[in-house]
Amino acid sequence: NAGVTQTPKFQVLKTGQSMTLQCAQDMNHEYMSWYRQDPGMGLRLIHYSVGAGITDQGEVPNGYNVSRSTTEDFPLRLLSAAPSQTSVYFCASSEREGGYTFGSGTRLTVV
Amino acid sequence: DAKTTQPPSMDCAEGRAANLPCNHSTISGNEYVYWYRQIHSQGPQYIIHGLKNNETNEMASLIITEDRKSSTLILPHATLRDTAVYYCTYRGTASKLTFGTGTRLQVTL
Repeated sequence: NAGVTQTPKFQVLKTGQSMTLQCAQDMNHEYMSWYRQDPGMGLRLIHYSVGAGITDQGEVPNGYNVSRSTTEDFPLRLLSAAPSQTSVYFCASSEREGGYTFGSGTRLTVV
Repeated sequence: DAKTTQPPSMDCAEGRAANLPCNHSTISGNEYVYWYRQIHSQGPQYIIHGLKNNETNEMASLIITEDRKSSTLILPHATLRDTAVYYCTYRGTASKLTFGTGTRLQVTL
């Protein structure tokens, strides 16, 4: 099992560009979530999903879109990148009551 | 969203037990308490979770008070590799998981 795989690991964007952060899990987990972590700060929930076709907003959803067309994949789209979106992005997945498994993160810099 | 209170930092001597407290007075009766840790800038790592009874696994023990308003994570023999930020949380509505600011545990020689 690969667990939770995030790509890319590093990315530099120019202001206004769009991109998609990929997240895939091979554990058949129902729940998936996206978090961002700014330097020296805690994790903030962006969007989450409780199953294929079902997504909802977290604490900081503005500027991001998600979709969940399959159980395995949960991509995060940045619509128009801004310097304030410079952060480390973590994807995570879990079963209904189990602990979340986190990916290794995508380090995004917007210049 | 989960509302938890943890001390911002704690120190522990290597080989001693580390006891990390957490207050979660707004937790509902059917919500599990979860503990995670984050070592440096890695992805958070799940440690343990529990509902009412005390739990133990290969990493740690979890003690939950009878009224479920607080819990303690116990690392029985802390090592330098346990230096990390430890997060206590629980799943709120629709099972979304949010995090507070956690406790920065420093294990020293």
